[in-house]
Amino acid sequence: GNSVTQMEGPVTLSEEAFLTINCTYTATGYPSLFWYVQYPGEGLQLLLKATKADDKGSNKGFEATYRKETTSFHLEKGSVQVSDSAVYFCGRRVQGAQKLVFGQGTRLTINP
Amino acid sequence: GAGVSQTPSNKVTEKGKYVELRCDPISGHTALYWYRQSLGQGPEFLIYFQGTGAADDSGLPNDRFFAVRPEGSVSTLKIQRTERGDSAVYLCASSTASDSPLHFGNGTRLTVT
Repeated sequence: GNSVTQMEGPVTLSEEAFLTINCTYTATGYPSLFWYVQYPGEGLQLLLKATKADDKGSNKGFEATYRKETTSFHLEKGSVQVSDSAVYFCGRRVQGAQKLVFGQGTRLTINP
Repeated sequence: GAGVSQTPSNKVTEKGKYVELRCDPISGHTALYWYRQSLGQGPEFLIYFQGTGAADDSGLPNDRFFAVRPEGSVSTLKIQRTERGDSAVYLCASSTASDSPLHFGNGTRLTVT
């Protein structure tokens, strides 16, 4: 089964709202954790990452903290913009392996 | 600079036919990945190349799927005897090293009728 589970979408928010997209993972050892984003008409691109427990990845106002005790890497943003509308994918890469495994994606729509 | 390029962007084929999908990675990227993304799902890993060799092909669903990277740059994903269930977007990604972020192409949308 899939070892990365994301919050079901779609998610629709108003501009300036607070965003949380939940992500949990299963893996042995200490995987690296990622959030990728796919804007309309574009390829997936890295948003942020964290490689060890308690690390916080951040980019473009988004943050996610690697929580080993809860095996989670939830994505947050304090004030979303219309331009944040996209599909967000959580991913994990097991230590020593190259395969990056993704969750099912969460479609986010921000209304003005 | 140029990103990962995938051709064709769309491919429609009949059930039972053979197809080839091409990926041009970013110049100098030694690692290359193929993923498959079905509607409403996340990308599903197929195969990973380091240089010319397939370092991990554990995601290929069956022996109808095969990929090559003969000179360590361009890669071709080959699907024999296509089935309707093969319809999906096939994504290619490359990276500078095994632990670096992946750079994705826009994908090839394959439709098997």
